[in-house]
Amino acid sequence: DAGITQSPRHKVTETGTPVTLRCHQTENHRYMYWYRQDPGHGLRLIHYSYGVKDTDKGEVSDGYSVSRSKTEDFLLTLESATSSQTSVYFCAISGRDDNEQFFGPGTRLTVL
Amino acid sequence: EDQVTQSPEALRLQEGESSSLNCSYTVSGLRGLFWYRQDPGKGPEFLFTLYSAGEEKEKERLKATLTKKESFLHITAPKPEDSATYLCAVQPPQGAQKLVFGQGTRLTINP
Repeated sequence: DAGITQSPRHKVTETGTPVTLRCHQTENHRYMYWYRQDPGHGLRLIHYSYGVKDTDKGEVSDGYSVSRSKTEDFLLTLESATSSQTSVYFCAISGRDDNEQFFGPGTRLTVL
Repeated sequence: EDQVTQSPEALRLQEGESSSLNCSYTVSGLRGLFWYRQDPGKGPEFLFTLYSAGEEKEKERLKATLTKKESFLHITAPKPEDSATYLCAVQPPQGAQKLVFGQGTRLTINP
């Protein structure tokens, strides 16, 4: 297994509250990604990072922000959660020369 | 717009009954095509990368092939433990290492 952990694994929150999801890697890979997975939409990229403090938007970035202050950690923040952000969130990593992405176990987020 | 379409959405087979899953894509200048397996409640697990038309990769009962417009995941004599959702993704030429995923094929192998 790729050394990727996500926390929390499950979270229930209320509309309007801030939420932060954490992804931690032990592989020292350069690239880290946040995806969401929803029925009928498949996996969609939210944000990604190509180095410490270097991030960029993906396909569905509205309502989300990210930060990467250390190589091993990539945080996803929902500033004010909405019910449409109820989803399963996956973190992934890949190396500088590797195209393959390796996924974490996921975080199931429910926004009531 | 880069698109990936997988078919069928769901497939139910008997143990030992071979079949193929399809992944069609519209990407200019494909950098790579990836197959993943995903079990319920878990993250996708990497299976194969294909880079050029004509390339083939094999792993146990699975073989992935690539043409200029589609990829096939062939499953030979499947077993119940092969039951999972199989995801296909493409890497366009632009945009760092972004992947565009299809919606997956849910495969069930009955004993």
